[in-house]
Amino acid sequence: QQPVQSPQAVILREGEDAVINCSSSKALYSVHWYRQKHGEAPVFLMILLKGGEQKGHDKISASFNEKKQQSSLYLTASQLSYSGTYFCIIIIQGAQKLVFGQGTRLTINP
Amino acid sequence: GAGVSQSPRYKVAKRGQDVALRCDPISGHVSLFWYQQALGQGPEFLTYFQNEAQLDKSGLPSDRFFAERPEGSVSTLKIQRTQQEDSAVYLCASSQGYRNTEAFFGQGTRLTVV
Repeated sequence: QQPVQSPQAVILREGEDAVINCSSSKALYSVHWYRQKHGEAPVFLMILLKGGEQKGHDKISASFNEKKQQSSLYLTASQLSYSGTYFCIIIIQGAQKLVFGQGTRLTINP
Repeated sequence: GAGVSQSPRYKVAKRGQDVALRCDPISGHVSLFWYQQALGQGPEFLTYFQNEAQLDKSGLPSDRFFAERPEGSVSTLKIQRTQQEDSAVYLCASSQGYRNTEAFFGQGTRLTVV
């Protein structure tokens, strides 16, 4: 049931873009994206509920495909503060629990 | 309170000792989740409460793990006869709704079993 995230790790220079993918073998009710910095609690970025939905704020956005089995997180013109581990968290159709992906470690270098 | 509060922040237990980890969710939040996060890994689901009802405990690794939320607010995760493999950060999260709202996470309790 765990979603598959890719890539597992990304190293960027400040100002570069990144895409993180999250896919599930089952249709999803929703996808949540969170960022966790070392030693801290995961922090909410956004939630997607509808197939074909796209949303974002500032330079971070996400999409949810029509079949509701895949989501991507887009980070544009990355800043040093974007460093951390990004998790997609899914809720499968008919279920209640939030299931984490394995995470994508993003490192932004100056 | 302002956020999800977990206590203690750090706990060192001798192997075989029982421990109790506390989670104070945001007031009024219906849903409460417990996760276990091993070093360098993503959080693994343990259990889920909707108010006082434990709707899913499929992630509890053994019968040594027990969670409760008797009045639908504060929750306690209890681990009996701790083992070294129980060493991890235990995260608690709460959300206002059921499935379509943001979950707020606590700072976690880092449990080290020696």
